[in-house]
Amino acid sequence: DGGITQSPKYLFRKEGQNVTLSCEQNLNHDAMYWYRQDPGQGLRLIYYSQIVNDFQKGDIAEGYSVSREKKESFPLTVTSAQKNPTAFYLCASSEVDTQYFGPGTRLTVL
Amino acid sequence: GESVGLHLPTLSVQEGDNSIINCAYSNSASDYFIWYKQESGKGPQFIIDIRSNMDKRQGQRVTVLLNKTVKHLSLQIAATQPGDSAVYFCAETGAGNNRKLIWGLGTSLAVNP
Repeated sequence: DGGITQSPKYLFRKEGQNVTLSCEQNLNHDAMYWYRQDPGQGLRLIYYSQIVNDFQKGDIAEGYSVSREKKESFPLTVTSAQKNPTAFYLCASSEVDTQYFGPGTRLTVL
Repeated sequence: GESVGLHLPTLSVQEGDNSIINCAYSNSASDYFIWYKQESGKGPQFIIDIRSNMDKRQGQRVTVLLNKTVKHLSLQIAATQPGDSAVYFCAETGAGNNRKLIWGLGTSLAVNP
């Protein structure tokens, strides 16, 4: 059963703490992406990776970091430098152009 | 019912009617276009895509039309059902090695029983 999994579904953190969101895919896709979505808004690209051990900043990378050590995994760390981290985070993967999305993680900063 | 995307972000239709969701894209060099459906609290779900060498593509109950002259994309949903209620996003990809998607702001579709 192929797909993209994100965990956890809901995440709460205190101000000043770093937190890591998981994204795993078994579609054998080379490219992976992280997006942020705020209520009633579209998707904004945080980071993307077109191949293992390589990644690029998207439009809103400040306060975030990623790694791509394995083809199937692309974890996102939300650091304490991110001033407004409460949002819905979406991970996607693609082989060519069509991106397929995971179920998302809703992060709330208390 | 018909929307004009950014200017009318909410479209309300009666169950059984056809829906048309419109999208104006920005880059005349874009060569790939895609529509996603996003239900509340879930990730976007792929609906249909089209490349710039085509004007029309049909799926199950959905049709995408591409007018490159005026940089306009539309999604037509036939016999709209309550399960079609969601936010619909269009996205485009430019030519070249950078294949990032450029996203529209979304149109909310509400289906009235």
